[in-house]
Amino acid sequence: DTEVTQTPKHLVMGMTNKKSLKCEQHMGHRAMYWYKQKAKKPPELMFVYSYEKLSINESVPSRFSPECPNSSLLNLHLHALQPEDSALYLCASSQGQGVYGELFFGEGSRLTVL
Amino acid sequence: SQELEQSPQSLIVQEGKNLTINCTSSKTLYGLYWYKQKYGEGLIFLMMLQKGGEEKSHEKITAKLDEKKQQSSLHITASQPSHAGIYLCGADVFGAGNMLTFGGGTRLMVKP
Repeated sequence: DTEVTQTPKHLVMGMTNKKSLKCEQHMGHRAMYWYKQKAKKPPELMFVYSYEKLSINESVPSRFSPECPNSSLLNLHLHALQPEDSALYLCASSQGQGVYGELFFGEGSRLTVL
Repeated sequence: SQELEQSPQSLIVQEGKNLTINCTSSKTLYGLYWYKQKYGEGLIFLMMLQKGGEEKSHEKITAKLDEKKQQSSLHITASQPSHAGIYLCGADVFGAGNMLTFGGGTRLMVKP
């Protein structure tokens, strides 16, 4: 199984809603990542989890709250988002944060904030 | 911060033609990754290069990392419509593993 699975594929939410994006991998990877990709732009790193601990937060606003409940799961909790937060949110995983190797990406969750 | 410049930004080629995409860094590249993305979808890993002068090939795609480790090229031989998409180069930002910053992407269209 070399897949990173993201749910939901599409999400529409209002600015007062609370929702979550989920990411799952069963490759035994110990590093997981959240990237944000705006239309016609490259992905930008948001968070890195290494061994289930948050190791990198790229100055992301607190309305985005990541969570890594176990080594296979990564969540991104969303609250009080703004329309400019509409984007494709990509999850990725790799063997380890300090280990060079393939970075596997999921298909993404497309978020629209109304 | 490290910046990656990709060129060209977009490319239209006739099926069967060869093409090259370049990725230039403002700093030394510790790890250089090439991905392909279809619009609105996830990134598909193509290749990763680490050593200066390294070259890797997969099917009709070849990637090279120059000796000084500040530029990489992706070459597609005998392009096919299935090669169409957005090609992204990504580089390790901190020199400590897979935390990538990406170039702006190259949009490739292959005309049958």
